[in-house]
Amino acid sequence: QVQLVESGGGVVQPGRSLRLSCAASGFTFSSNGMHWVRQAPGKGLEWVTLISHDGYNQYYADSVRGRFTVSRDNSKNTLYLHLDSLRPDDTAIYYCAKDGGSYFYDYWGQGTLVTVSS
Amino acid sequence: DIQMTQSPSTLAASVRDRVTITCRASQDVADWLAWYQQKPGKAPELLLYGVSNLKSGVPSRFSGSGSGTDFSLTITSLQPEDSATYYCQQYNSPPWTFGQGTKVEIK
Repeated sequence: QVQLVESGGGVVQPGRSLRLSCAASGFTFSSNGMHWVRQAPGKGLEWVTLISHDGYNQYYADSVRGRFTVSRDNSKNTLYLHLDSLRPDDTAIYYCAKDGGSYFYDYWGQGTLVTVSS
Repeated sequence: DIQMTQSPSTLAASVRDRVTITCRASQDVADWLAWYQQKPGKAPELLLYGVSNLKSGVPSRFSGSGSGTDFSLTITSLQPEDSATYYCQQYNSPPWTFGQGTKVEIK
């Protein structure tokens, strides 16, 4: 069965960096685009970034472009999100999600909480 | 960006009631529309994609309809385990955007 397990969240000061990971199993990771979606506490869902199956193409929300970098290692079945220049409004649960074939999300991880606070 | 607006924001209904949630897009998204269910403290889960295609394993009491800018999610016979927040999402064009959510409570 498809499993996505995020890690790397925590409390970080404004302006600092963090790297999130998402370990995938149960499907052919290298054949699927992958997304990060976040959810601020008590708020709705916000798409953050998409990386293509081969890692050559990345797309970002305006709110994170230039500060966040998505990457993947298909040999390790792992997705990454590098968060730079963090701001308090980046505080959220970050979910990795498998692309369902047309930019919807057919499987989600359990999420990892990033808290940006001094 | 395409704005997605759901209504109502909250609804309370009884078990076995028929419940409908609507979702309106600020521009035409054709049939590139998905619905998700999120229970408290859990990740969202896909219910439907392509407006009306049920994900494998999702109960048949969930159904979707619409096209263009107006869509709906219907639960034909509400069950206690359907208490959750429901989100629509357009994937017609990036950035892929969600509605603000509809919280369904059981009376």
